[in-house]
Amino acid sequence: GAGVSQSPRYKVAKRGQDVALRCDPISGHVSLFWYQQALGQGPEFLTYFQNEAQLDKSGLPSDRFFAERPEGSVSTLKIQRTQQEDSAVYLCASSYGFSEQFFGPGTRLTVL
Amino acid sequence: EDQVTQSPEALRLQEGESSSLNCSYTVSGLRGLFWYRQDPGKGPEFLFTLYSAGEEKEKERLKATLTKKESFLHITAPKPEDSATYLCAVQGGADGLTFGKGTHLIIQP
Repeated sequence: GAGVSQSPRYKVAKRGQDVALRCDPISGHVSLFWYQQALGQGPEFLTYFQNEAQLDKSGLPSDRFFAERPEGSVSTLKIQRTQQEDSAVYLCASSYGFSEQFFGPGTRLTVL
Repeated sequence: EDQVTQSPEALRLQEGESSSLNCSYTVSGLRGLFWYRQDPGKGPEFLFTLYSAGEEKEKERLKATLTKKESFLHITAPKPEDSATYLCAVQGGADGLTFGKGTHLIIQP
């Protein structure tokens, strides 16, 4: 399939550990978005890339969260010194320009 | 700040019983209103984009409509496989989408 893929699908971390979540967008999609979804809630915007440029990071909850997309394709969301409140599903989406966004399956992060 | 409110939070219908889901929004400069379907353990699946008041789109048993303040997702003669959480989102001045909390729909056989 040619959809958005994310890895790992599940991640368990001890409080204080660093984690890295990967997103492979749909080929040719210039826009890439990261969202955080808590249980029973809708996704919340974290950050947005257009090609390799991070144009909006207003949704990142703290400076422990960092995202990159160095070659304009694959993106990595890194969370340093994880806390229990970081437990959530992290969703990646891609789009061609400002059209509809297509989502990956998400990474479920559990911080113990 | 863009805001989206969906109602009801949960809805249980019998198979074949038509109904509507509501999405009320406030946004500065609507660039698009989106409906997604989300199954447990999966990412949101795109359904529709609406751009301006009066616009309607249909897909199988689903029809989405848009006014200046709200959108409706009409479900006609639903089947059990339509059971899912339906999410509404808007894109306004910001690049990311602002989502509602969703409506959890259950269709009983």
